[in-house]
Amino acid sequence: GESVGLHLPTLSVQEGDNSIINCAYSNSASDYFIWYKQESGKGPQFIIDIRSNMDKRQGQRVTVLLNKTVKHLSLQIAATQPGDSAVYFCAENIGYGGSQGNLIFGKGTKLSVKP
Amino acid sequence: KAGVTQTPRYLIKTRGQQVTLSCSPISGHRSVSWYQQTPGQGLQFLFEYFSETQRNKGNFPGRFSGRQFSNSRSEMNVSTLELGDSALYLCASSPRGAGGSGELFFGEGSRLTVL
Repeated sequence: GESVGLHLPTLSVQEGDNSIINCAYSNSASDYFIWYKQESGKGPQFIIDIRSNMDKRQGQRVTVLLNKTVKHLSLQIAATQPGDSAVYFCAENIGYGGSQGNLIFGKGTKLSVKP
Repeated sequence: KAGVTQTPRYLIKTRGQQVTLSCSPISGHRSVSWYQQTPGQGLQFLFEYFSETQRNKGNFPGRFSGRQFSNSRSEMNVSTLELGDSALYLCASSPRGAGGSGELFFGEGSRLTVL
């Protein structure tokens, strides 16, 4: 069935280190993937996205890698900062008819940054 | 530019009651989606509206309904509340119409507690 899941529910890293958050998806028809960050008491915030015709996309301190062969998605955060502490969700777009609001979210990974 | 605004932020209801939640999207955004977030199930898609039409619907019972007005503001209603409806209800808006990327801008949510 369709599912988006995360390999690790929690991740603890030292400030300044790089963080890698992983995600597996099962719907090979998905063509768009997004990473969201959710801080306590707030709604999810868009971080970066990637289309299935790409395998890598970089943003500011973040990189998303897509491996369609094994249906795996990862988010890399460089020089992790305390402000990066949050829950990170991957999501896939399986909307039909052009719908873009139907995202399937993973369960989330809680990232804790130690000073 | 104001973000997505959801009201009320917190509310407590009892079983059997009904509730209406409101969402004002970012100005100019025509797509509004609703999600339910619980610790056990994570973020689950409820429905999406575009130009006052429901474009997509998640796997929720008919007690969950919504609508969108001509000014793009949206409401969702849950009737005959059950304990399991306790959750954070998130609204998200998007600037694009059919197709395009799936970047969603989330509000801070309405936290519903059913006693």
